[in-house]
Amino acid sequence: NAGVTQTPKFQVLKTGQSMTLQCAQDMNHNSMYWYRQDPGMGLRLIYYSASEGTTDKGEVPNGYNVSRLNKREFSLRLESAAPSQTSVYFCATRQIVQAAWSNEKLFFGSGTQLSVL
Amino acid sequence: LAKTTQPISMDSYEGQEVNITCSHNNIATNDYITWYQQFPSQGPRFIIQGYKTKVTNEVASLFIPADRKSSTLSLPRVSLSDTAVYYCLVDTGRRALTFGSGTRLQVQP
Repeated sequence: NAGVTQTPKFQVLKTGQSMTLQCAQDMNHNSMYWYRQDPGMGLRLIYYSASEGTTDKGEVPNGYNVSRLNKREFSLRLESAAPSQTSVYFCATRQIVQAAWSNEKLFFGSGTQLSVL
Repeated sequence: LAKTTQPISMDSYEGQEVNITCSHNNIATNDYITWYQQFPSQGPRFIIQGYKTKVTNEVASLFIPADRKSSTLSLPRVSLSDTAVYYCLVDTGRRALTFGSGTRLQVQP
């Protein structure tokens, strides 16, 4: 039971290159999230998917796109990488089971460390 | 989104009790208060969650006063391995969960 798996773990890009960060979960959760964490800072929400087939912007969506491929997979794409996107990217999931859905905890992957030169 | 405020950093010594307080003045009726712990180079992990009064598990206790405008995470007898960043979250009833900057706890020997 792997939980939340992120690939790759490390990546170095040149400015202007594109890449896709992959996230897969085997927890059968309906909601998935992408966060970024800059050095010494807290996590900031990029995009999230409340359920299969839906995606919404978070706090810092500019420069990113996402795809909820199926219930298990949620990918994050950088179309034209910039040095400001150098960060650690975390994928997280949780199961929303009731209307209030305030009490469902997040499960995180181990992160992707991305450097854009 | 409900905003939380917590101290940027705290220092403690091994064996002491550590209390980290978070304020969330505009918490909504249906919101829960959740705390996460993050070690370097790892994703955050759930510690404890509560709605009101007191919740205790094997790791920590969470104290929530009647007005629910603040909460206090209590870590009993901390050790070096408790050195981490601690985040207080309030679920606003939307599907987006936002983290603040957290409290960086440094435990000294």
